[in-house]
Amino acid sequence: SAVISQKPSRDICQRGTSLTIQCQVDSQVTMMFWYRQQPGQSLTLIATANQGSEATYESGFVIDKFPISRPNLTFSTLTVSNMSPEDSSIYLCSVLTSGGINEQFFGPGTRLTVL
Amino acid sequence: QKEVEQNSGPLSVPEGAIASLNCTYSDRGSQSFFWYRQYSGKSPELIMSIYSNGDKEDGRFTAQLNKASQYVSLLIRDSQPSDSATYLCAVNSYGNKLVFGAGTILRVKS
Repeated sequence: SAVISQKPSRDICQRGTSLTIQCQVDSQVTMMFWYRQQPGQSLTLIATANQGSEATYESGFVIDKFPISRPNLTFSTLTVSNMSPEDSSIYLCSVLTSGGINEQFFGPGTRLTVL
Repeated sequence: QKEVEQNSGPLSVPEGAIASLNCTYSDRGSQSFFWYRQYSGKSPELIMSIYSNGDKEDGRFTAQLNKASQYVSLLIRDSQPSDSATYLCAVNSYGNKLVFGAGTILRVKS
């Protein structure tokens, strides 16, 4: 499976600021996704990062709050904008590798605390 | 609203026993089903995928799928303390999107 890295691994931020999270894969992948895992809860899909076009957001998530870029087939960023304490979560990117098998693999995650 | 239901547990089993984890889903059109293991403070790790009715075995793990009953299960044989984790059931929705259950906490006691 692909090797996925995320930066930063954790951060503590002040409310009202923004944080950009990077996701890098060591090989080209067909699809990349961003998930959120709030404390003590399961994973919720934020959006599908589309290469060369706007991301596709799930219900309850909007581009102004979570802008996403995917300039190529190995890299994506998620920005958490105008943060509030409710944004404190683990943010995870996942990738769908090519080859006809639709298995998703997750990066190590970014633990965000908003004060 | 597509839903995936799991018993949150914790499920406690003695070392060496079989752990049985269950999951039901609401979308009859779902075609792919996955089990992830998540250790505390770590990201989910894919341990099993299953696409057809019946059983799929991989080492100590067996996934079982019954599409008519909309039911997926994971059996862990010879459970070890290192199997203690949260197990997440995920179902493939439209466009390769995954819908996750809340997860079942498994504790294997030595």
